[in-house]
Amino acid sequence: QQQVKQSPQSLIVQKGGISIINCAYENTAFDYFPWYQQFPGKGPALLIAIRPDVSEKKEGRFTISFNKSAKQFSLHIMDSQPGDSATYFCAARGGGATNKLIFGTGTLLAVQP
Amino acid sequence: NAGVTQTPKFQVLKTGQSMTLQCAQDMNHEYMSWYRQDPGMGLRLIHYSVGAGITDQGEVPNGYNVSRSTTEDFPLRLLSAAPSQTSVYFCASRYRGGTEAFFGQGTRLTVV
Repeated sequence: QQQVKQSPQSLIVQKGGISIINCAYENTAFDYFPWYQQFPGKGPALLIAIRPDVSEKKEGRFTISFNKSAKQFSLHIMDSQPGDSATYFCAARGGGATNKLIFGTGTLLAVQP
Repeated sequence: NAGVTQTPKFQVLKTGQSMTLQCAQDMNHEYMSWYRQDPGMGLRLIHYSVGAGITDQGEVPNGYNVSRSTTEDFPLRLLSAAPSQTSVYFCASRYRGGTEAFFGQGTRLTVV
């Protein structure tokens, strides 16, 4: 049962372009939405995160856009660089005492020079 | 400051063998968790712990056991390995009210 749907599965972007990865969720109890970046052979690394009471959060070239009514959120990577080539995962944290994370299926991003 | 340390990095097991994946963190985090990562399926939660002596099941717990005798360590035990447990395993830790910000380097397990 996939509670967080992520698309696309893979993405090729030219250097300097904008990379956009989308996620949709079903459970309105989710209270925190992080994005992770993973390089081959490494563990995921927390990249940026947003709470549902905020519509946008920007950190450097990375921006999360959040649409609470549509239950969708997306990651935008501006001025994409070859060093951004990695797998990106969205996630949603359940509310309550345990705050378990549910991950999307991942997007493999390749930025061509 | 080591963060989250997982051992071993690679392991090959025969069907039916048992083994323990080790995970240790030095940040005094209350919450620790184990995930498995399979192609096209993202990361799925196996077991988690909110503190020493407290563990609970995640999304895919069958075939795995955990214990948490100290804050620092959270080992994952495979009781009788099966080919379906071939995967990459990640351990993570965080403060109880936070989100997974610290992952280990992973253990690539192959069961033949």
